[in-house]
Amino acid sequence: LAKTTQPISMDSYEGQEVNITCSHNNIATNDYITWYQQFPSQGPRFIIQGYKTKVTNEVASLFIPADRKSSTLSLPRVSLSDTAVYYCLVGPISSGSARQLTFGSGTQLTVLP
Amino acid sequence: DTGVSQDPRHKITKRGQNVTFRCDPISEHNRLYWYRQTLGQGPEFLTYFQNEAQLEKSRLLSDRFSAERPKGSFSTLEIQRTEQGDSAMYLCASSLAGLAAKETQYFGPGTRLLVL
Repeated sequence: LAKTTQPISMDSYEGQEVNITCSHNNIATNDYITWYQQFPSQGPRFIIQGYKTKVTNEVASLFIPADRKSSTLSLPRVSLSDTAVYYCLVGPISSGSARQLTFGSGTQLTVLP
Repeated sequence: DTGVSQDPRHKITKRGQNVTFRCDPISEHNRLYWYRQTLGQGPEFLTYFQNEAQLEKSRLLSDRFSAERPKGSFSTLEIQRTEQGDSAMYLCASSLAGLAAKETQYFGPGTRLLVL
């Protein structure tokens, strides 16, 4: 499984756009990039998943450059409720075999008023 | 609510006692995973079921831990002779795996265990 590197923590202010970058230099051809969000005392919540270029959903965008050695989670106009730990995960998601998720320590995002 | 549910949400026990946790996955999901999370760390994989079959176990899972998924629906995780080092959040996740599908795991709220 590809190792990921994320900043330990980030601060932002309400209303700002936040970009969290994850490095994954050893990503394999069949690996996808997945981001989860976790609030204290809750299970991780799936945010977004992508393979290349750009993916956007109702809560975030995921930017993946052509070499796929990094990815950036973009949260538009954050609010206080976006304060959480964000995990970047890399691994195959073909359903032929099970995929145990390998979490790092994540990025603690703190949104300030 | 049709998400993953876990019971109990909190458990306090004395060292040496046995505890059992339950996970109810999203109803049509055929895969079920157990993870453990300690403070300040990301979740760590423990074991996984495809329907009722337990197909993989982590080396983190000592002999005191056992998991079942008897009818391919809910699952239980039992810890025998608990130790203080077992104190953690125990997370369950489920997914729908199919040949053409991308698998996404959805997590429950977790059971927080404190061993005194």
